[in-house]
Amino acid sequence: DGGITQSPKYLFRKEGQNVTLSCEQNLNHDAMYWYRQDPGQGLRLIYYSQIVNDFQKGDIAEGYSVSREKKESFPLTVTSAQKNPTAFYLCASSHVLGRSYEQYFGPGTRLTVT
Amino acid sequence: AQSVTQLDSQVPVFEEAPVELRCNYSSSVSVYLFWYVQYPNQGLQLLLKYLSGSTLVESINGFEAEFNKSQTSFHLRKPSVHISDTAEYFCAVSEVSGGYNKLIFGAGTRLAVHP
Repeated sequence: DGGITQSPKYLFRKEGQNVTLSCEQNLNHDAMYWYRQDPGQGLRLIYYSQIVNDFQKGDIAEGYSVSREKKESFPLTVTSAQKNPTAFYLCASSHVLGRSYEQYFGPGTRLTVT
Repeated sequence: AQSVTQLDSQVPVFEEAPVELRCNYSSSVSVYLFWYVQYPNQGLQLLLKYLSGSTLVESINGFEAEFNKSQTSFHLRKPSVHISDTAEYFCAVSEVSGGYNKLIFGAGTRLAVHP
């Protein structure tokens, strides 16, 4: 079955540690996205990538980093510089220009930093 | 830049009653519009989308939305809700910027269906 996988579902870290969230897709999509979701604030775009080895900052990129070495994979690192990292993180993918821009979402990773 | 406003953060409703979740977007020459649904601790699932053609679009589970260009709205409706419709609903609009396409999401509307 085609889809997006995110692992782990729940992640706990101590303050000051970097942590990497995994996102893999087998939909043959060129574009991938990372969002952060906080209660009452909807989805905020962290980073996005339209092609391998290229990515762009979204609205709240500070304290985060990404890489896109393979089409299928777009891991997100939450660094110790992120002031308030506890949140629900969602990965998505889509076709690029010329399509409907519909995004497909993974199940999410809930990160708790104490 | 595009923006999306979901006018109600929470909508309580009794089972089998009708419901409307409101969504307005900022004006643009052409837009693609989406409604997504999110159940607790899960990712977002596409409910329906407007790309072109008929302004009334329907989902397989009884929801429908109407694209209204003059009012820049894309309200979601269901004539009779079920307990299982309890979820958070997000309206989104496409945006192309610098050659990159993105979706701009509203803040979400939490639909609570009571027996």
